[in-house]
Amino acid sequence: GAGVSQSPSNKVTEKGKDVELRCDPISGHTALYWYRQSLGQGLEFLIYFQGNSAPDKSGLPSDRFSAERTGGSVSTLTIQRTQQEDSAVYLCASSPPGADTQYFGPGTRLTVL
Amino acid sequence: QKEVEQNSGPLSVPEGAIASLNCTYSDRGSQSFFWYRQYSGKSPELIMSIYSNGDKEDGRFTAQLNKASQYVSLLIRDSQPSDSATYLCAALGVSGYALNFGKGTSLLVTP
Repeated sequence: GAGVSQSPSNKVTEKGKDVELRCDPISGHTALYWYRQSLGQGLEFLIYFQGNSAPDKSGLPSDRFSAERTGGSVSTLTIQRTQQEDSAVYLCASSPPGADTQYFGPGTRLTVL
Repeated sequence: QKEVEQNSGPLSVPEGAIASLNCTYSDRGSQSFFWYRQYSGKSPELIMSIYSNGDKEDGRFTAQLNKASQYVSLLIRDSQPSDSATYLCAALGVSGYALNFGKGTSLLVTP
């Protein structure tokens, strides 16, 4: 079946602009996660959604970052007033109900000039 | 800070040999552990999960867990050049959903 999909695959933006990154989880998966992978760094947890419950936003690095998940499916990660240090690959993952295994999408490579 | 530590490598092994990848973790509350493979420019791909002390085998891969020593390893038997990638170790934190990742070990399998 189809895996996690993310768009765009690449995004180049200017410092100070806002960007939106989209994630479409595997069909039937109730849990959705966002991670960030910066050059030379490990994956960093950002936010977690589970069904209709309130998300865990504890990993978001600043209030410029926000995320929403509509209808328990597609999620959008928004970064306002982008900074150069936001340049990274943003990865989305999803898990099926009752399981803790996380399946990653292809990622969005964000470059802030 | 809950940390997962891996040797960055590169670990170089000849084709057909056994590659041994190691990982330690600091959070004693972690109960679930995962190995992901990441090819250059690609996203992490799940290889194996392990939850209990001991060995878990899946094809050419064997994961080993020792909770007392807070140590996880991955053995790859009959290594192939296509196994050349970065291997990420991850531990599920006490939250039950946020994965703590190591920075990965780069494996190079030479023909």
